[in-house]
Amino acid sequence: EAQVTQNPRYLITVTGKKLTVTCSQNMNHEYMSWYRQDPGLGLRQIYYSMNVEVTDKGDVPEGYKVSRKEKRNFPLILESPSPNQTSLYFCASSPLGPRTTDTQYFGPGTRLTVL
Amino acid sequence: AQSVTQLDSHVSVSEGTPVLLRCNYSSSYSPSLFWYVQHPNKGLQLLLKYTSAATLVKGINGFEAEFKKSETSFHLTKPSAHMSDAAEYFCVVSEGNFNKFYFGSGTKLNVKP
Repeated sequence: EAQVTQNPRYLITVTGKKLTVTCSQNMNHEYMSWYRQDPGLGLRQIYYSMNVEVTDKGDVPEGYKVSRKEKRNFPLILESPSPNQTSLYFCASSPLGPRTTDTQYFGPGTRLTVL
Repeated sequence: AQSVTQLDSHVSVSEGTPVLLRCNYSSSYSPSLFWYVQHPNKGLQLLLKYTSAATLVKGINGFEAEFKKSETSFHLTKPSAHMSDAAEYFCVVSEGNFNKFYFGSGTKLNVKP
């Protein structure tokens, strides 16, 4: 089944404790992206990747890191999480991204709470 | 810069009545436009997308949207609301020149029995 998977789905952590949220897609998509969703703000793009080893900042990259060593995986890293990073996070993938009219496919979301 | 404005944060309709969710965008180029739906505690699902082939776009579950370039709008409509339509809806714009997708702030649709 074609899908985007994220792990973990729920995470409660403490300020400053490094964490990684994994994202994987099995559709051979080139474009992958991370978003955070906060009430009243919609989804805001954190980072995106056009292909392996090609990543760039979205609109809210501060406090986050990403890597794209393999086409299928795009982990989101919070080196030193803070309470303002408490949010619902979505990973998405798209065959070629905004360069075309491609649709994005979303993962199920990761609800992160930073105490 | 690109931006997406969803004019209503909440819309409430009665079951069986029409639905109108409004979206305006700003774009310097020819955009692609999407509507996504998010049911409570679920991920996002594509409803429909505009790709310049036709200005009236039909999507899943009876939803439609019309692209009006002169008004820079892409409003979402449905002739008759169903209880299962209660969800949050997002209008999204993309432009190839910027490699990004831009989301509106969302409209929560409530459907009353």
